[in-house]
Amino acid sequence: EVQLVQSGAEVKKPGESLRISCKGTGYSFTSHYISWVRQMPGKGLEWMGRIDPSDSYTNYSPSFEGHVTISTDKSISTAYLQWSSLKASDTAMYYCARHYGYSSSSAYVHWGQGTLVTVSS
Amino acid sequence: EIVLTQSPGTLSLSPGERATLSCRASQSVSSSYLAWYQQKPGQAPRLLIFGASTRATAIPDRFSGSGSGTDFTLTISRLEPEDFAVYYCQQYGNSPTFGQGTKVEIK
Repeated sequence: EVQLVQSGAEVKKPGESLRISCKGTGYSFTSHYISWVRQMPGKGLEWMGRIDPSDSYTNYSPSFEGHVTISTDKSISTAYLQWSSLKASDTAMYYCARHYGYSSSSAYVHWGQGTLVTVSS
Repeated sequence: EIVLTQSPGTLSLSPGERATLSCRASQSVSSSYLAWYQQKPGQAPRLLIFGASTRATAIPDRFSGSGSGTDFTLTISRLEPEDFAVYYCQQYGNSPTFGQGTKVEIK
């Protein structure tokens, strides 16, 4: 069974750094892209970026480029989303999602349970 | 970037009725890279339709997708109680984007 298990909720202060994780099990981790999706409180879904775990090739939404970094450690089948300096506006639920097919242009059939990030002074 | 506009914002219907949700793109969506997701409160989204019209695994056949180019539709033929939720369209080409969502609520 394919599963994506995300790290737990975080409470941080503005300016702090953070890395959240998404561990994939039940499939070949390097065979499928992973994307990250933001959902601000009461709002819709926003695509942030994606990574090819086989070679760590990434591309980002223009809205998020330069503010977050997506990476993977294929030795432990885990993808990461990190911030170097959080803002209050980063408060949101963050989902990782595995692409259905083997290409970057593929829908997301498997989703993590979400990681709630709260940034408040 | 391709902007997806969903309509209506909210659809108020009764169980058993037909739901028709629209998703319009600001430019043509390549190769019908268009998906529909359902999200219920407190849950992650669930893939319903990809490739504009292909149902994902285990999705009931009351859900159907159609369209191409810039105009796409999700139809729920007869609403079941568990179908009341928010629905998002997504284009998953070079730089994916989501629509703002349509809430299907009980009338």
